[in-house]
Parts: sequence; structure tokens; C-alpha cells
Amino acid sequence: QSVLTQPPSVSGTPGQRVTISCSGSSSNIGTDDVNWYQQLPGTAPKLLIFSNNRRPSGVPDRFSGSKSGTSASLAISGLQSEDEADYYCAAWDDSLNGAVFGGGTQLTVL
Amino acid sequence: EMQLLESGGGWIQPGGSLRLSCAASGFTFSNCAMGWVRQAPGKGLEWVSGITNIGGSTFYADSVKGRFTISRDNSKNTVSLQMNSLRAEDTAIYYCVKGFYTSPRSSWFDPWGQGTLVTVSS
Repeated sequence: QSVLTQPPSVSGTPGQRVTISCSGSSSNIGTDDVNWYQQLPGTAPKLLIFSNNRRPSGVPDRFSGSKSGTSASLAISGLQSEDEADYYCAAWDDSLNGAVFGGGTQLTVL
Repeated sequence: EMQLLESGGGWIQPGGSLRLSCAASGFTFSNCAMGWVRQAPGKGLEWVSGITNIGGSTFYADSVKGRFTISRDNSKNTVSLQMNSLRAEDTAIYYCVKGFYTSPRSSWFDPWGQGTLVTVSS
């Protein structure tokens, strides 16, 4: 059972917009920034969104993040086949004194 | 280009010990917190441990506290994870990660190494 809650899977067709939710609590998302990671099949995770809504250089602006209260979400617009991957949200948890991840969401492009 | 290269993974029997190392390059190592994140086969990501930029403070997940020890050598740009009393549930790919700040009290990890597989089995 992960501290942060994500849907196990989402799907969409090419060109569509999908969102992935991440629910936490006052000890993690409620007080800390949320970061998102993309893990393509067979590869190491990669930072996708940092500080809730900022993109590292090289990440397309089709990817966007937001946070409100104890929840966050990742939106992917103009869905492409190469977006098929697992996506993880993460935050620091002040109660656990450690970083926590969501369980991951598998994105399928139909 | 920032790079992290892990080594030291392998097969070990339950109760045994293993030491992972991570060699860093392409950034000022002594300015950054470092850490380890693991991923069990077919499962999600689990943060394991973090260390401040000068090694003064360390942090551990409850699942490894008292068994794992993180350390760093800023003269060699390396971070290590000493794993003792290994259990089957420690089987995972272990990723070395760079933090953005001097403190590891963050979930901002960039970049990640390619990972090293640790298998604990009899």
C-alpha cells in the first residue's frame, strides 16, 4: 500500500488528453512539492515534472503538472504512442521523514 | 552531462551482506545530496535512503533502518550503500539518484543511474 495513491492504469487514443491523479495527505503533498517521474519500459525512471508544475529542459510542453491541497495531477495532451510508460508521483513526507512514491500508473496508448 | 553509474549488485543468500557503489560525474558532487531508490521486480518505486551533501546527516526508510548504511566520499565522487542482514524482500533494482538540494529532504531526483540488480535468495 503506497502512501500516495494513483490509479493503476489509464488509457487514451493518440491526440487525446489524459490526466493522472495523485492523492496524499497533509504530511506529504500538503506541505511539500510534488515531482513526477516517467519510466519507459526497461529503463530507469526520468524526472518529468518538478516543483509541482515545472518541466526540465527537453520535456515537451504536452506534459503539465498541478497541485491543490493534498492532491496533484499530471496531464498529458496530444497523446503519442511514445508516451506509453509508467508514471509515478513523489513527495517528501514529514511524518515518515522520507520520500514517498505513488504506486505508479501505467499509461496505455490505444 | 550528469551521470551516475552503480556497481556491486548480484546474488546473495538471506542474512548476507552486499555493498553497492555509485560513481558520479558531470556535476559538483559535494554540492548535492545523494540517495538510493529501489524497485522490486514488477513493482513500483520505493525510496531507500538519502545523505546530505557533506554526509553529516542520513535518512532511511523504515524497511531498511538498522540494516542499511549510506555513506559518501566527496574526494572520489562516490556514494555507497552497505546492506546487511539482507532479506528476500530486499530483492530489487537499486537506483542511485542525485538530489537537487544539499539536503536529501526532497523527492526531486535527477538524474538516475541505470540501476543494479540485487537478488536475495537461497
